[in-house]
This record gives sequence, C-alpha cells and structure tokens, in this order.
Amino acid sequence: ETGVTQTPRHLVMGMTNKKSLKCEQHLGHNAMYWYKQSAKKPLELMFVYNFKEQTENNSVPSRFSPECPNSSHLFLHLHTLQPEDSALYLCASSHNLLPGTGSNYGYTFGSGTRLTVV
Amino acid sequence: AQTVTQSQPEMSVQEAETVTLSCTYDTSENNYYLFWYKQPPSRQMILVIRQEAYKQQNATENRFSVNFQKAAKSFSLKISDSQLGDTAMYFCAFIDTGANSKLTFGKGITLSVRP
Repeated sequence: ETGVTQTPRHLVMGMTNKKSLKCEQHLGHNAMYWYKQSAKKPLELMFVYNFKEQTENNSVPSRFSPECPNSSHLFLHLHTLQPEDSALYLCASSHNLLPGTGSNYGYTFGSGTRLTVV
Repeated sequence: AQTVTQSQPEMSVQEAETVTLSCTYDTSENNYYLFWYKQPPSRQMILVIRQEAYKQQNATENRFSVNFQKAAKSFSLKISDSQLGDTAMYFCAFIDTGANSKLTFGKGITLSVRP
C-alpha cells in the first residue's frame, strides 16, 4: 500500500448513470490530482487541487465533476459519460505542488479505478 | 510545453540479463526532475528512480540506474539482473520547478521478462 487508496477498483456504468470515484490519502499531502490513463496514450492530467482549492482543470468535459472536501479526500463525480471515457482513472498526491525534496519527493499514486462505460 | 517521448512500445529481456529503456524529453527549463515509474498488472504506479537535473551524477537504486544526458535531453533506465517481477509498464516522467508545473508522462513501454 502506498498510502493512497482508490475505490471502487472496478466500475461499469451506463451512459445515463451517475457514479462517483473516491480517493483518500493518509500521507499528510496537500496536493491531489486526477489522471486519466487510456491505452496507448500518455497519462492525461485532469484536475489539480492544492489545499482543497482547484488550481487546474485541463479542459475536462463537464460530465466529470471533481470535489475536494479536505486535503485527504478527493472525489470524481461522473454523469452522462460516453464510451470513450472508459479508462483507468488514477489519483495521486504530493506534499505540495512542487516536486519537493527528500521524503517528500514526487507523486504517490493509488491503484486506480477501471471504468467501463456501456 | 514540456513533452516526454518513449518511442519503444514494448521490449523483452531474458531473466538475469540487462535491459535499457529509452526516454527523451523537451523543455526550455534548466531546473527540473525526471522520474521512472513502474506500473505492474496490479496497476499501482510505483516510483522506481528519480533524478534532479542539477545533479551530474546518475541516480542508482539497487538494480536500477539511469543514464542522464542533460544536453541531449535523454534519460534512459537500465535494469540489471532482470527479474520476473520487473515485468510491467514503465513510464518516464518530467516536472520542472515552476510554481504551476505538473508531472508529465510519456506513453510508457511494456517490458516483459522471460524466464
């Protein structure tokens, strides 16, 4: 376990459903991220939160709605998705927005949620 | 904008042998960090090794080492004495020290270690 937990591990949803992905970290990190991982493509950064405030939205469609109630929890609310939204959604956290040094170095990732939209 | 390129989609190596994974990047920044992440079938993205651009010495972590060529903007990963557990996708990633910089990944390479 890396300290970043994502649930559910797998999710199948219809295009008219509403569901949420959850990410939780117990590392004392202040920044959290949502990435989308599709086959044969680089990881795509979707959203960034720093101290619960959204600092970046990389032109993500409004059918994806993030929520960060505190520095330890991050949600991704999904509604009226399309089949092309099927992917692995990864959550990550870091001590702050900068890479950091020593033990605070880099991003820590969860195991992701495999989302299939049917 | 920074880009990270991993041109080899997949590689295969015999157990106990050495393999090198390639990565190039493009940036106008002088201060930055480079990473190699491993993603096994469990999907957990695990940090393998990291390199600060201001350090000339190549980073080493047990069987993993890098060849960092700053002028050429090249950052390859060498895995020595390959083990079956090294089978995974490997991603090269970059981040600069700017206030709004985020981790940027390459497409990844699938490494298979043959018994």
